[in-house]
Amino acid sequence: GAVVSQHPSWVICKSGTSVKIECRSLDFQATTMFWYRQFPKQSLMLMATSNEGSKATYEQGVEKDKFLINHASLTLSTLTVTSAHPEDSSFYICSARDQKVGYGYTFGSGTRLTVV
Amino acid sequence: SQQGEEDPQALSIQEGENATMNCSYKTSINNLQWYRQNSGRGLVHLILIRSNEREKHSGRLRVTLDTSKKSSSLLITASRAADTASYFCATRYGGATNKLIFGTGTLLAVQP
Repeated sequence: GAVVSQHPSWVICKSGTSVKIECRSLDFQATTMFWYRQFPKQSLMLMATSNEGSKATYEQGVEKDKFLINHASLTLSTLTVTSAHPEDSSFYICSARDQKVGYGYTFGSGTRLTVV
Repeated sequence: SQQGEEDPQALSIQEGENATMNCSYKTSINNLQWYRQNSGRGLVHLILIRSNEREKHSGRLRVTLDTSKKSSSLLITASRAADTASYFCATRYGGATNKLIFGTGTLLAVQP
């Protein structure tokens, strides 16, 4: 089945630094990937839609200059949290849709970001 | 916000009992999906029901969809301790992006 690999699974960084999270579709090509953020005991909130070869589409209220998304190939999307602050600490999850296997979306295992 | 709501927020049952979770959404959809998330993990796709379907089964799972009420329910029969997790409904909106919007989730605890 479709597999999405997300790295790192957890990261701790200092305030003011930037962190890059990778999302790879291992056995299928994904023209579109999605990035979500999840705070403890809350639901997933869609941050942005990552489009291969073009600019990402951000949801209302998400700062595009803070959360940089790059989708340079059909199998890789990256999310960079720039100038991270403690309030950016969260669980970030990516997903991709393999159109060949129907309508289900495959999710990465998530990245726990802690900013200290 | 497009986000749907689920109830109950939390549900605690004994092994062997059935668990029912409800989801309401706000706008027209192409399909509705249910996902499971173990604590601190990614999501696992459970079942999908299309907007022209009313009921669907998969193993111990039964999903219903009422588009007139914009609601869906997930029934887990004969629950097991391993079913302990958070369950989310998600609605897929059409258009170019096909983005998936999640409900607020139900935390299910199955006591052995």
